[in-house]
Amino acid sequence: EPEVTQTPSHQVTQMGQEVILRCVPISNHLYFYWYRQILGQKVEFLVSFYNNEISEKSEIFDDQFSVERPDGSNFTLKIRSTKLEDSAMYFCASRRESNQPQHFGDGTRLSIL
Amino acid sequence: EDQVTQSPEALRLQEGESSSLNCSYTVSGLRGLFWYRQDPGKGPEFLFTLYSAGEEKEKERLKATLTKKESFLHITAPKPEDSATYLCAVQAYYGQNFVFGPGTRLSVLP
Repeated sequence: EPEVTQTPSHQVTQMGQEVILRCVPISNHLYFYWYRQILGQKVEFLVSFYNNEISEKSEIFDDQFSVERPDGSNFTLKIRSTKLEDSAMYFCASRRESNQPQHFGDGTRLSIL
Repeated sequence: EDQVTQSPEALRLQEGESSSLNCSYTVSGLRGLFWYRQDPGKGPEFLFTLYSAGEEKEKERLKATLTKKESFLHITAPKPEDSATYLCAVQAYYGQNFVFGPGTRLSVLP
């Protein structure tokens, strides 16, 4: 069964450094998402992406964050200057249609030192 | 503001002891309610979608139901492998994103 894959599984970065999290969504999906989950807390929406542009973003997704679909298969989340509070599990999700379930990857654990 | 709450926060069951998990939601026009299972260190795994009040879905020992204000996930004769955190999420008509509840951590003891 096709699945969403995310790399790396764990990223350790110094505060203030840039980090790029990578995702390969399911191949025939058209809608792409990033969520984060701080340890012990809810899964929180960051951004949705459709037709090569951001369709929706949350208050968390400020100017430090950006997303890109650089080719036909990858979907990336960049954090320009990381802060301690960016430490979390980051999940990528995708779906074929806008009313169908989102399918999630297993996440990247981001640790900011 | 769309909100999702789940109860109980944690639930311990003996193998074979049936129970229900609750998801209560407030959303301006429900487009869909989604149940997921999350194992430690993993991403949410899709279980069910419910679109309208009165709808029910079943899969093995799990059955999900939906009313206008809440959804229930019924677990019949659970096994230890059903131990996980169960997440409920809603999508409103006007938006793309999911709003997740905090989850119910289920432990099934042999």
